[in-house]
This record gives sequence, structure tokens and C-alpha cells, in this order.
Amino acid sequence: DIVMTQSPLSLPVTPGEPASISCRSSQSLLHSNGYNYLDWYVQKPGQSPQVLIYLGSNRASGVPDRFSGSGSGTDFSLKITRVEAEDVGIYYCMQSLQTPLTFGGGTKVEIK
Amino acid sequence: QVQLVESGGGLVKPGGSLRLSCEVSGFTFNDYHMSWVRQAPGKGLEWLSHIKDNDRSVQYADSLKGRFTISRDNAKNSLYLIMNSLRAEDTAIYYCARRQRVLKKATRGTTVVDFYYYYMDVWGRGTTVIVSS
Repeated sequence: DIVMTQSPLSLPVTPGEPASISCRSSQSLLHSNGYNYLDWYVQKPGQSPQVLIYLGSNRASGVPDRFSGSGSGTDFSLKITRVEAEDVGIYYCMQSLQTPLTFGGGTKVEIK
Repeated sequence: QVQLVESGGGLVKPGGSLRLSCEVSGFTFNDYHMSWVRQAPGKGLEWLSHIKDNDRSVQYADSLKGRFTISRDNAKNSLYLIMNSLRAEDTAIYYCARRQRVLKKATRGTTVVDFYYYYMDVWGRGTTVIVSS
């Protein structure tokens, strides 16, 4: 199975400041088609998970442009240009290159 | 509006069985692949299974070891997860999720090929399963 490792575990942020989450995979997620099979999800307090980014860098419908995904191979990151209070939650990366689909352990973003 | 509503969770004894349901509305169910994902108390997300729109292709997490079965009834707009031989470690919130399909283009040499990518774009609120004696 592909192991996904996220850092940091916890990320206190100041509203208006940027934030960055790292995700590393135990195998390359670069498909032969040239795309990275990596998604980002967020689970806000008391809510179900929701998608932010798919294929490494594509924002899902309705996701604010302050969220961006980047990286290739085994190293990925999710960046928030200016954190807002509504962005608190646990962020997960997930690989979809092969089954079983596997999630990272999560990064908890909280407001300082 | 697009909705997924899970049901069927509850308290069950170790070794028991449950059937979870996920009733969908607001979209054409048989056009979409679907997934089950769970979250143990205080833990992260764990993908369990997915099923294609035509019900002919299913995949499971190895950890389920044949105890769980995913199925769907397109006529009833419903997805199911039959869980047998339940264990304490199966205690979790169980979510169903729709797999959105997006068409992308890839270049292979001088050829451009189309492919579909799937990601979980809509999730239900979940149903809680507690396995305890």
C-alpha cells in the first residue's frame, strides 16, 4: 500500500497569513499520463470531508482561489495564501494512483 | 440539490452484521461511481470500497478481508455496504461519497489521449456504527 505522510500534525495560523501543508507519498504518484494522482480534502469541525484539490493542482468547483496544490512524484503541498477563520479544520491528502486509496494522517489547522 | 443520506448504523455486538444504506438525490445516480469511507473515533479517514456506475466493478481495502460487500440499486438511487463479522475496530462513522468524473487530456509523444479521473466530490453526513458487547 502507498503510505501518505503529512506534516505538520498541527498548524496554528494567524488570519490573513499564509499557510502550507506538506504531503509525502511512499511511491511516486506520477501516472504515465503525466498527472499526479493526489487529492486534498478538508474536514471542518462537525462536518463531512469536502474536496479542495484533485490531480495535484486542480481546484474543485467552488473552492476559493486562495487554495492551491502543487508538487510532483512523492512531494506535494497545499498552500493557503491568506488564511480565513472558516479554513479551520483537518486537511488530508489522498492518493488515488492505486487501490487501496490511502489518506495521510491529517493536518489540523487552527487559528492562533 | 445534490444529497447523500446514510442510514443503517447502530450498536451491534462483535461478530454481528449490519447493512448500511446511502440514498442519493439531486443527480442521476447511475451515471456515477460511488465510494464508502470511514472514520474511527478521533482518527483519520480510511477508504473502504468503491463501485462503478454499472455495478460490475468493485474494489475493496485489503483490511476488510472479505467481510464487507458494496452494492448498489440504481432503480432505488441507493448504495449499500453489507458488513459481516464486525469487530470493535470497525467502530466508526461511515460516509458514502460520490465519485466525480473529469475528462482530461494527456500527451503521449505526438498523440493526445483522453482519460477520466475520479475524485470524491460530494459526501454524506455519515452514519455511526458502534461494535461493542
